[in-house]
Amino acid sequence: EAGVVQSPRYKIIEKKQPVAFWCNPISGHNTLYWYLQNLGQGPELLIRYENEEAVDDSQLPKDRFSAERLKGVDSTLKIQPAELGDSAVYLCASSSPGGDPGELFFGEGSRLTVL
Amino acid sequence: GDSVTQMEGPVTLSEEAFLTINCTYTATGYPSLFWYVQYPGEGLQLLLKATKADDKGSNKGFEATYRKETTSFHLEKGSVQVSDSAVYFCALIDSGNTPLVFGKGTRLSVIA
Repeated sequence: EAGVVQSPRYKIIEKKQPVAFWCNPISGHNTLYWYLQNLGQGPELLIRYENEEAVDDSQLPKDRFSAERLKGVDSTLKIQPAELGDSAVYLCASSSPGGDPGELFFGEGSRLTVL
Repeated sequence: GDSVTQMEGPVTLSEEAFLTINCTYTATGYPSLFWYVQYPGEGLQLLLKATKADDKGSNKGFEATYRKETTSFHLEKGSVQVSDSAVYFCALIDSGNTPLVFGKGTRLSVIA
């Protein structure tokens, strides 16, 4: 069974440029999460989807961040424009329907560096 | 709000040494507790969990016991190996509708 796939693994951009991250969850997992992990910190939730509906986006900075999961499978997280402080690892995770809500399956992350 | 506090790292141990990584939590409800591990170059993965007081989670030689009276969930292993070098995250979830909340992580380095 394939795991959670994220791309790109690494991205370097200049400030004020846009950037997008893509995530493909485990097949059959209807819940998808985007987490932000700053250096030396634990992951922090940005947004959670149940199928195509964003059910928790309270921590998503909506002035510059957006996310979508149009068909309830793949998801894209976008930042426009990027700021220096956005340098971090962006993690995607998924969980199975009816499973333990604390058991998440994570991708390897997308490391963003903003210069 | 809910929070998790872990001991500061990095922790450096010799092979076969005993490991303890302390974790305490604050929660409004009755949370489930987890340890996640992140090996170099890999994504976070669930190591073990406990869902009620006095439960012991165990996996790969690691153990942690849910202690409600001390609000703790310390991770232990009797004899660490070089392959255990990773970052360990303690986490909790208070209910099905709240997100998983992570501690800051503790980096473990095991030297031969």
